[in-house]
Amino acid sequence: GAVVSQHPSWVICKSGTSVKIECRSLDFQATTMFWYRQFPKQSLMLMATSNEGSKATYEQGVEKDKFLINHASLTLSTLTVTSAHPEDSSFYICSTRTGGGNTIYFGEGSWLTVV
Amino acid sequence: GENVEQHPSTLSVQEGDSAVIKCTYSDSASNYFPWYKQELGKRPQLIIDIRSNVGEKKDQRIAVTLNKTAKHFSLHITETQPEDSAVYFCAASMGGTASKLTFGTGTRLQVTL
Repeated sequence: GAVVSQHPSWVICKSGTSVKIECRSLDFQATTMFWYRQFPKQSLMLMATSNEGSKATYEQGVEKDKFLINHASLTLSTLTVTSAHPEDSSFYICSTRTGGGNTIYFGEGSWLTVV
Repeated sequence: GENVEQHPSTLSVQEGDSAVIKCTYSDSASNYFPWYKQELGKRPQLIIDIRSNVGEKKDQRIAVTLNKTAKHFSLHITETQPEDSAVYFCAASMGGTASKLTFGTGTRLQVTL
């Protein structure tokens, strides 16, 4: 079946540095990918919708200059957290749908800890 | 935009009892309602979903009901087992490949022996 792969699974970085998270669709082409953030004991909150070949659509309150999204191919979307701060520490997870289907496939998620 | 509310936030049941989690949504255009089970530190796992042209769907011990008029849907787990303990999220979407999911706030289910 369709698989979405996300890397890294966890990352620790220093304040002020940038971290890139990759999300790949392995068995299909994904024109749209979704990036969520989940703080401990909270729900998944959509950050942005990544569109292949065009600019991402950000949700209200999400800083587009801080959370850079690139979707340069039909199988890869990346989220870069720039100038990371401890409050950016969270679980980041991507998802996508296969064409013509409603089923959402999630990546494994990435734990980011900023120290 | 869509707003999904979920209750209760925590639920404790004894093994073998039933558990019910309820969600309401605000956007009448939403037509796809999945339920996810999430264990600590892992990705959400789809356990059941329902589309707006169906009022009820069942898969073994799990069932989902949808009331489009009232804009609410519920998850029913019967004969609960300790391995059912997890956080459950409802979600709503308008469907289509470019449509985003809006999640409920989650319910932490604890099944005790």
